[in-house]
Amino acid sequence: QVQLVESGGGVVQPGRSLRLSCAASGFTFSTYAMHWVRQAPGKGLEWVARISYDGNDKDYADSVKGRFTISRDNSKNTLFLQMNSLRAEDTAVFYCARDGIAAARSAFDIWGQGTMVTVS
Amino acid sequence: DIQMTQSPSSVSASVGDRVTITCRATQGFSSWLAWYQQKPGKAPKLLIYAASSLQSGVPSRFSGSGSGTDFALTISSLQPEDFATYYCQQANSFPLTFGGGTKVEI
Repeated sequence: QVQLVESGGGVVQPGRSLRLSCAASGFTFSTYAMHWVRQAPGKGLEWVARISYDGNDKDYADSVKGRFTISRDNSKNTLFLQMNSLRAEDTAVFYCARDGIAAARSAFDIWGQGTMVTVS
Repeated sequence: DIQMTQSPSSVSASVGDRVTITCRATQGFSSWLAWYQQKPGKAPKLLIYAASSLQSGVPSRFSGSGSGTDFALTISSLQPEDFATYYCQQANSFPLTFGGGTKVEI
C-alpha cells in the first residue's frame, strides 16, 4: 500500500545538525513533489519545505530558509531534510507528505507517521 | 504571505449535529484550499481539496465550499469518529500556510 515512513528524529543540542529521512513505497515516488510539515507540541501545523518531483525546484518556509535543505534520491525512493543550526523552536514532530496532483496540487494527500525532533 | 484564520477555535457538539467551520484568507484566490482532520497522536488526513472536492474514501457527510477569501467545511451529521481537530490550508502560493485549527469536542 501507499506508505511514507520517516526516521532520523531524536534529541539534539541547539546549534547542532540532524538529517531526517522519509522512505516511500507503494507509488511511483519519482513522479510526485514532496513536502515536509511540522507540528510543535500542542500546536498547529506548519509547512516547512517542498521539492519538485525531479529535485530541481525547492521552496522553504522563512523560518527555516538558510538552515534546512530538502533533497531526494529517486533511485532509492527517499526524501531527506537536512537540518542545521537547530534551535529550541524547531522542536516538533516532522511529517513527510506527498503532494497531490492536478486539482489537489500543493495539498498533502499521503502523510507519514511523523518523527519527533527535540532540540534541547 | 497568505495568512489563514479559522473560526471557531473550538466547538462543542453532539452526535448528529451539523457543524460548520470557516476559514478566511488575507488574500483572495480561486479554489486552492484543502481541509484536514487530525486525531490525537496521528498524522493529519486529507478530507477536501480544491475547496470542494471530496478526497477518495472520505464520507459524504463532509463537504467544502467557498472561493476568494472565505471558505467553509461542513459536517452534515456529526459521528463519534469525527471528534478531532480540523485544519484548513491554502495551496495557492508558497509559503503554504495552515489555519490555526478547530477542535470539535463532544
